[in-house]
Amino acid sequence: DGGITQSPKYLFRKEGQNVTLSCEQNLNHDAMYWYRQDPGQGLRLIYYSQIVNDFQKGDIAEGYSVSREKKESFPLTVTSAQKNPTAFYLCASSIGQGRDSGANVLTFGAGSRLTVL
Amino acid sequence: AQTVTQSQPEMSVQEAETVTLSCTYDTSESDYYLFWYKQPPSRQMILVIRQEAYKQQNATENRFSVNFQKAAKSFSLKISDSQLGDAAMYFCAYRSAWYSGGGADGLTFGKGTHLIIQP
Repeated sequence: DGGITQSPKYLFRKEGQNVTLSCEQNLNHDAMYWYRQDPGQGLRLIYYSQIVNDFQKGDIAEGYSVSREKKESFPLTVTSAQKNPTAFYLCASSIGQGRDSGANVLTFGAGSRLTVL
Repeated sequence: AQTVTQSQPEMSVQEAETVTLSCTYDTSESDYYLFWYKQPPSRQMILVIRQEAYKQQNATENRFSVNFQKAAKSFSLKISDSQLGDAAMYFCAYRSAWYSGGGADGLTFGKGTHLIIQP
């Protein structure tokens, strides 16, 4: 079955360490996204990528970095510069924009919970 | 930039009753898409319903329907015959129809409404 796989599901980090969250999709989607979810805050966009080897900052990119070397993969690195990294992180992908019924819809992974000790 | 507002942090409904969740948004664009996503305790985001702004007809998906008022920038979700499995966080979201490169792509979310189903 096609879908988005995020790993690990739970991750603990010591202060000052960088950690990388994995996101892999087999939906053949062009666009991929990273969101951060905090209690009472909804989802906020960190980074997105519309094509391979290109990505753009979202609303809260400071302290994060990404790469898009393959269409299927969009890993997120939470760096030591991120002041409050404890959160739930969601990866999503989209077939892109257009008038088709499936267009514009984001499909989400199951998420990764990062806790800083 | 677009904003999405959900004014009800929490709603409660009796099983088998009908409940309406509110959502308003602010945009200067004329072409866009609106969505309702459900996030159950598993935290998996699930698409409930999608509305295209250029279509007058309100979208429906089985027990879920929307009341889309474009002029009022309102997009409410009605759940009929509520079931215990409907208990979840519900998020309203906005997406521009055509990405021009002048703004961020992706969905803009409201802060969510926690729906409780009373048996």
